[in-house]
Amino acid sequence: DAKTTQPPSMDCAEGRAANLPCNHSTISGNEYVYWYRQIHSQGPQYIIHGLKNNETNEMASLIITEDRKSSTLILPHATLRDTAVYYCIVGWGSNYKLTFGKGTLLTVNP
Amino acid sequence: KAGVTQTPRYLIKTRGQQVTLSCSPISGHRSVSWYQQTPGQGLQFLFEYFSETQRNKGNFPGRFSGRQFSNSRSEMNVSTLELGDSALYLCASSLAVGGASGNTIYFGEGSWLTVV
Repeated sequence: DAKTTQPPSMDCAEGRAANLPCNHSTISGNEYVYWYRQIHSQGPQYIIHGLKNNETNEMASLIITEDRKSSTLILPHATLRDTAVYYCIVGWGSNYKLTFGKGTLLTVNP
Repeated sequence: KAGVTQTPRYLIKTRGQQVTLSCSPISGHRSVSWYQQTPGQGLQFLFEYFSETQRNKGNFPGRFSGRQFSNSRSEMNVSTLELGDSALYLCASSLAVGGASGNTIYFGEGSWLTVV
């Protein structure tokens, strides 16, 4: 599995943009970048995924660098309810499962 | 449309007992995978079923088993429960089998199992 590296924690002020980085330098050509988040005691929630191009949906934007070795998840206007652990995952490639790391605990402060 | 539904949400079992957890996937999804989440080990893949067949299996002992029905609903069973089996068990569904390019899995809320 391609390994991902994320900061263990980040803080963000409510109403500001939250930019969560992820390094995946060993990503292979056919692997997608996925982002999930998990609020305490709940199942992981799918946010967004992408291969090469930047992606945007109603929840977030995903910026992938041209060499695909890193990406940034952007929550444009963070709210208190966005406080969660955010997981950056690279899959699927040759693997049949998504491998979750420790993620980034994003705390949105009032 | 309805998301992934897991039952029960919470349960307490005694060591040595067995437990069965149920999962109803998103309508139209044929793949169901199961994960175990503990504070120490994080999220770990248990197994995946697609069209009633187990397609992939993680590194868990044989006490952990599962099955999938013709309507794509799935159950997982843990026999001879141990204290270390206390965890959040998550079910996820997807349209395609794991490994399919661009495939997205959607998780349920999980079943909290406490073994005493």
